[in-house]
Amino acid sequence: GQQVQQSPASLVLQEGENAELQCNFSTSLNSMQWFYQRPGGSLVSLFYNPSGTKHSGRLTSTTVIKERRSSLHISSSQTTDSGTYLCALVNNAGAKLTFGGGTRLTVRP
Amino acid sequence: EAAVTQSPRNKVAVTGGKVTLSCNQTNNHNNMYWYRQDTGHGLRLIHYSYGAGSTEKGDIPDGYKASRPSQENFSLILELATPSQTSVYFCASGEGQGGAETLYFGSGTRLTVL
Repeated sequence: GQQVQQSPASLVLQEGENAELQCNFSTSLNSMQWFYQRPGGSLVSLFYNPSGTKHSGRLTSTTVIKERRSSLHISSSQTTDSGTYLCALVNNAGAKLTFGGGTRLTVRP
Repeated sequence: EAAVTQSPRNKVAVTGGKVTLSCNQTNNHNNMYWYRQDTGHGLRLIHYSYGAGSTEKGDIPDGYKASRPSQENFSLILELATPSQTSVYFCASGEGQGGAETLYFGSGTRLTVL
């Protein structure tokens, strides 16, 4: 089965609301990364977060290895946050990044 | 700033034809990757390379070949294109080791096989 599952698949917010995106994995974890993909565009790395909590502006990533999950919290969402958020992991076998299916976020003004 | 350039941006091919997707990076990264992105599947790894002259199979290599003639260039080759290969293809280069690698992505190539 799929090693990395993201939820929700899509999310619509009003500007100013917070978002919580989830990534669950079924394999042992070596590292976890979060990426942002602009609508119709390329991907940009947001976080490298193998464990614990990291902050970057309005974004917070938390990875809990023993619970096999990672989350991305977006506070005070803005219309420019719209796009797709993908998590990706490397398992302990040293395989290359395996991506989840992504969460498509739409922030309305 | 790290730069990965893909060409072409869009491509329409016929079934059975040969397609070559090109990727150039100016980052001097050793590692380069080809992914495809399809609705419901996220990004899936096709081929990757550790440096000039090397290519490795990813998770879905069937129907694809790769070529890394230099540090800067990494090509994906579809010898006999099929409609199932219609997708958006992304190239990336990476620095760092194992799971700590930071990937820099190109803007993607949208391929349609008729």
